[in-house]
Amino acid sequence: DAGVTQSPTHLIKTRGQQVTLRCSPKSGHDTVSWYQQALGQGPQFIFQYYEEEERQRGNFPDRFSGHQFPNYSSELNVNALLLGDSALYLCASSQQGLHEKLFFGSGTQLSVL
Amino acid sequence: ILNVEQSPQSLHVQEGDSTNFTCSFPSSNFYALHWYRWETAKSPEALFVMTLNGDEKKKGRISATLNTKEGYSYLYIKGSQPEDSATYLCAFLIQGAQKLVFGQGTRLTINP
Repeated sequence: DAGVTQSPTHLIKTRGQQVTLRCSPKSGHDTVSWYQQALGQGPQFIFQYYEEEERQRGNFPDRFSGHQFPNYSSELNVNALLLGDSALYLCASSQQGLHEKLFFGSGTQLSVL
Repeated sequence: ILNVEQSPQSLHVQEGDSTNFTCSFPSSNFYALHWYRWETAKSPEALFVMTLNGDEKKKGRISATLNTKEGYSYLYIKGSQPEDSATYLCAFLIQGAQKLVFGQGTRLTINP
């Protein structure tokens, strides 16, 4: 049983560019959450997708958008990249409801130059 | 703004010693408290999900307690081993919300 998989593992972009990160949830999971982890901080919630809809959103600008597909996989898109977007982006999956523990992918390390 | 605080930020412990650290969270509208272990170059891994005041959970040498009335949880590691070296994250879930609010983590290093 494959766990949560994310791609790519590393990415280098320049300011102003756009990026798409991908996540496949653990088998049997229908909910995908995205987190941003900057150096020295805990993961910050970006948004959560369930039934192909954004269910809740954290304190991130509209440059951050997402999508969930019928097979429950998800994408995170970031437009007009800023230097401050450099971070580790983690995807986590769960079954419906966050009283269930999250299963994390290994993350995508994004560097914006 | 919900704030989850973990202390200490980092900790060095001799192999074989026991240790503990703290997670503080808002005491109102509590729903659940999660603990995760994050080893270098790996994914965060769930240790415990705690929902009831007075909960105590145990997994091998690691245990956790929960006090929702005063807003804190302790994580204990008994007889630390080098493989316990990791960052330990706690995360708080408020009633009616879908997002986990994470603390900044406690980075634990076990010295052989």
